[in-house]
Amino acid sequence: QKEVEQNSGPLSVPEGAIASLNCTYSDRGSQSFFWYRQYSGKSPELIMFIYSNGDKEDGRFTAQLNKASQYVSLLIRDSQPSDSATYLCALLGAALIFGKGTTLSVSS
Amino acid sequence: NAGVTQTPKFQVLKTGQSMTLQCAQDMNHNSMYWYRQDPGMGLRLIYYSASEGTTDKGEVPNGYNVSRLNKREFSLRLESAAPSQTSVYFCASTSGTYNEQFFGPGTRLTVL
Repeated sequence: QKEVEQNSGPLSVPEGAIASLNCTYSDRGSQSFFWYRQYSGKSPELIMFIYSNGDKEDGRFTAQLNKASQYVSLLIRDSQPSDSATYLCALLGAALIFGKGTTLSVSS
Repeated sequence: NAGVTQTPKFQVLKTGQSMTLQCAQDMNHNSMYWYRQDPGMGLRLIYYSASEGTTDKGEVPNGYNVSRLNKREFSLRLESAAPSQTSVYFCASTSGTYNEQFFGPGTRLTVL
């Protein structure tokens, strides 16, 4: 059974800092990984996906994948209060398999 | 382009009642999914449809049925609602290129 583990948090960072969100997974054969953001009472929205080892950058967001260590992370640079949300890590099986999410709180 | 739409947004049922949650997408996606989200449990897959005419069980299918009516529409039916089915239900569809999954706004269901 493929599993995705995330620290539930909350992770608290001051405005302007780098937020680092982490995710580990159980299936060494997993190839595709996704990060979603979910505001309270709203549906998940896709931030980034990553398939290859290394870093992938999109604006203030950087996804990092290390398949040997079975580890995926999301860095948010220059964190803003509007980044306060729950961040969901997911891997692709027959459908997406989600972790339970990490709550991020950015204080101004 | 509305993306993924769901109806209703909110619903209250009594134990034993039945209802159908509707989902439609206008992105020409082949695959569609139903998830439920409960506090502390994350998103759990109920059923999915990889293509029109096919459906498969996910992690928590008991108490639910689905119909892939056509490429656009994928409905979820509760035949005899139970309080344990109180949850937020999300429908999603997937693009073929990178398997990016897009979610509808959700249905908040309470079963009394």
